[in-house]
Amino acid sequence: EIVLTQSPGTLSLSPGERATLSCRASQSVSGSDLAWYQQKPGQVPRLLIYGASRRATGIPDRFSGSGSGTDFTLTISRLEAEDLAVYYCQQYGSSPVAFGGGTKVEI
Amino acid sequence: EVQLVQSGAEVKKPGESLRISCKGSGYSFTSYCISWVRQMPGKGLEWLGRIDPSDSSMKYNPSFQGHVTISVDKSTSTAYLQWSSLKASDTAMYHCARHMESYSWYAAFDYWGHGTLVTASS
Repeated sequence: EIVLTQSPGTLSLSPGERATLSCRASQSVSGSDLAWYQQKPGQVPRLLIYGASRRATGIPDRFSGSGSGTDFTLTISRLEAEDLAVYYCQQYGSSPVAFGGGTKVEI
Repeated sequence: EVQLVQSGAEVKKPGESLRISCKGSGYSFTSYCISWVRQMPGKGLEWLGRIDPSDSSMKYNPSFQGHVTISVDKSTSTAYLQWSSLKASDTAMYHCARHMESYSWYAAFDYWGHGTLVTASS
């Protein structure tokens, strides 16, 4: 069973700054089968990135994903106020599917 | 438009049974797996299990196996999550989510239901 650890727990930044969120897996993620989701307060999770680096439909290009193996990163190049949310990584390449504990981004 | 519409909030007593639903529309329901995800109050996301509507094959998270049952009714494009005996610790929001690749157990979740809040309290 793969365990995902996200850091930091909370990230406090200003609009226009760059946010770097980390997701570390306890063992190698199969085929870079890693996704990132954004969950705004009171809303349903939204898929941002899949396959470690592919943006989902309609996601702005200021969101980017990178990494492979056990270390993955979500970067938000220029933070906007609307990016206030909790961000979760997920590995879906092996069972059981696992989510990280989340990183809260405060603007 | 792809939609997953879930049943409404439920309030039950511990020990009672419950079944909640997730109805898919706007796509070929049998072509995409459905997963169920739990979110306890103020907490993160936990995967319960998934079902392939084409053949009703299931896979559970070992942490939840034996406590929940996932099923599907192809004729109504509806997936279900059920408990035979609720516990107070089952109090949470439950989301269904569609796998983004057809006929694939191993895919990210591109569409999510709005969630069903289950409260189990005496």
